[in-house]
Amino acid sequence: EPEVTQTPSHQVTQMGQEVILRCVPISNHLYFYWYRQILGQKVEFLVSFYNNEISEKSEIFDDQFSVERPDGSNFTLKIRSTKLEDSAMYFCASSDVGGGNQPQHFGDGTRLSIL
Amino acid sequence: GQQVMQIPQYQHVQEGEDFTTYCNSSTTLSNIQWYKQRPGGHPVFLIQLVKSGEVKKQKRLTFQFGEAKKNSSLHITATQTTDVGTYFCAGRGRNYQLIWGAGTKLIIKP
Repeated sequence: EPEVTQTPSHQVTQMGQEVILRCVPISNHLYFYWYRQILGQKVEFLVSFYNNEISEKSEIFDDQFSVERPDGSNFTLKIRSTKLEDSAMYFCASSDVGGGNQPQHFGDGTRLSIL
Repeated sequence: GQQVMQIPQYQHVQEGEDFTTYCNSSTTLSNIQWYKQRPGGHPVFLIQLVKSGEVKKQKRLTFQFGEAKKNSSLHITATQTTDVGTYFCAGRGRNYQLIWGAGTKLIIKP
């Protein structure tokens, strides 16, 4: 069964540094998402992306965050200047139809630890 | 803004007992999805409910969507150790994105 893959599985970074989290969505999917989950807490929506542009973003997704689809397969989340409170699990998801009408398929996540 | 409240936060049960989690929305939802997250894992889609009053079953799991499409529940009959994890509801609201509940963690007492 097709999967969403995320790399790296764990990223440790000094506060203030930039990080890029990478995702390869399922190949025929058109809608891509990033979520954040602080340890033991709820899944928080960050951003959705379709047709090479952001379709929706949450209040969490401020100017420190950006997303990009640099080629036909990768979908990246960049955090420009990391803060301690950015430490969390970051999940990428994709769906073949947007608007919350179809299941979202999640990757295994990247655990981001800010020191 | 739109919110989906999910209760309880935790439920401890003996293996074989039933488990129920409830979601309530401040506004009418177009649909509601349920996901399961095993410890250390990622959310996995379980089911989607669309119609008012809809009830769907998956083996020991029963999912309901309220008549007003503002609430939903998941009931597990005779829990097993494989049911352990956190169950999330996610409703599609006005802005067409999924609004996630906080999740209910199912814990099996040793």
